[in-house]
Amino acid sequence: AQKITQTQPGMFVQEKEAVTLDCTYDTSDQSYGLFWYKQPSSGEMIFLIYQGSYDEQNATEGRYSLNFQKARKSANLVISASQLGDSAMYFCAMRGLGGGADGLTFGKGTHLIIQP
Amino acid sequence: DAGVIQSPRHEVTEMGQEVTLRCKPISGHNSLFWYRQTMMRGLELLIYFNNNVPIDDSGMPEDRFSAKMPNASFSTLKIQPSEPRDSAVYFCASSLMGGRMLYEQYFGPGTRLTVT
Repeated sequence: AQKITQTQPGMFVQEKEAVTLDCTYDTSDQSYGLFWYKQPSSGEMIFLIYQGSYDEQNATEGRYSLNFQKARKSANLVISASQLGDSAMYFCAMRGLGGGADGLTFGKGTHLIIQP
Repeated sequence: DAGVIQSPRHEVTEMGQEVTLRCKPISGHNSLFWYRQTMMRGLELLIYFNNNVPIDDSGMPEDRFSAKMPNASFSTLKIQPSEPRDSAVYFCASSLMGGRMLYEQYFGPGTRLTVT
């Protein structure tokens, strides 16, 4: 079984500051992937970034980076230079590398509000 | 490129009626997932298909729910009879699947279902 924990229900951050959204996970899979999705108020789910469990380097994608600490089972999302448009729900998710394409297990999400 | 297409975007129905949600995955993707999002339970995987074959339907809440994927470009999720507790946003997602790669899932815009 897989479990994702996001301990920050909500965060307020000043525009242009960096933001770290916490995510810890638990799994018995040897190989797995960690994902972050953004859900703005319009409701769609937008893929942001992916980290494989065997990737030695932390993933980066523009202003997004994933601080992956395997021993601590954490996969925090870092947003640099936050913008007003970053205000949204953010979900951490994972899936195992089994025989097929397993579905994603999601955390409860963090509601991020960027203030001007 | 067209993303995942879902229809209808909104559905309001009365308790006891049959509801059919539709999904067209991204062309070339061979895995399809149905998720449900509610305030109480967050995002939950209902069922997923690999190469049009249902792999895991353990997330389907009860026998009132059924899903089919008759071909690589179309899937349906049916609720019969519907109940007020089925009110939620239903997402369809698709991804590639194969080998040791873990591919991200791309989500459709969702169908907001309200059962009165």
